Amino acid sequence: AQSVTQLGSHVSVSEGALVLLRCNYSSSVPPYLFWYVQYPNQGLQLLLKYTTGATLVKGINGFEAEFKKSETSFHLTKPSAHMSDAAEYFCAVSSGGSNYKLTFGKGTLLTVNP
Amino acid sequence: DVKVTQSSRYLVKRTGEKVFLECVQDMDHENMFWYRQDPGLGLRLIYFSYDVKMKEKGDIPEGYSVSREKKERFSLILESASTNQTSMYLCASSLGYGGVETQYFGPGTRLLVL
Repeated sequence: AQSVTQLGSHVSVSEGALVLLRCNYSSSVPPYLFWYVQYPNQGLQLLLKYTTGATLVKGINGFEAEFKKSETSFHLTKPSAHMSDAAEYFCAVSSGGSNYKLTFGKGTLLTVNP
Repeated sequence: DVKVTQSSRYLVKRTGEKVFLECVQDMDHENMFWYRQDPGLGLRLIYFSYDVKMKEKGDIPEGYSVSREKKERFSLILESASTNQTSMYLCASSLGYGGVETQYFGPGTRLLVL
């Protein structure tokens, strides 16, 4: 079984401040990890994903995430928040192989204050 | 660019009606998915299909059925709509085999059942 826990349903930062969105996962096999973003009134789009190899993954719009196996974490960061980053962010885990299922966290709503 | 389109952005139906939600993707993807998104619950998988006429249940299939007669089209059917099926419905597609591939999402259909 696999699961995802996103700590904090709502995170608020000032423009220019560090963005840190937390994600912890549970998986019985080496996981594949994803961060998706949902802007208002839109579907989800991929920010970044970890499959194998380098544990620090860079994504679009200046976001990055680091896979830490010992901590079962995949936190999302951005050094300097922009107003356009305001959206809902979802962490997701897959066990890959023949298992198509992507398990999503409950989401974190990011608010950016001017 | 991958494009996933959903037949309606907003839909209002009455309790007991049969409801069809249509999803079309234009990138020849093998896999298609239907999710339900509710505040505080994240995304939950209803059904997915990894080939024409093939389907598998997700986490919450009760009250729903699906149809995939052509590779590009995946339909979600609510046989007898109920008020607890009021939700946002998201369709997604992905290429290839297994859970490592990126899922591409449509804009969603917001369904209200009265």
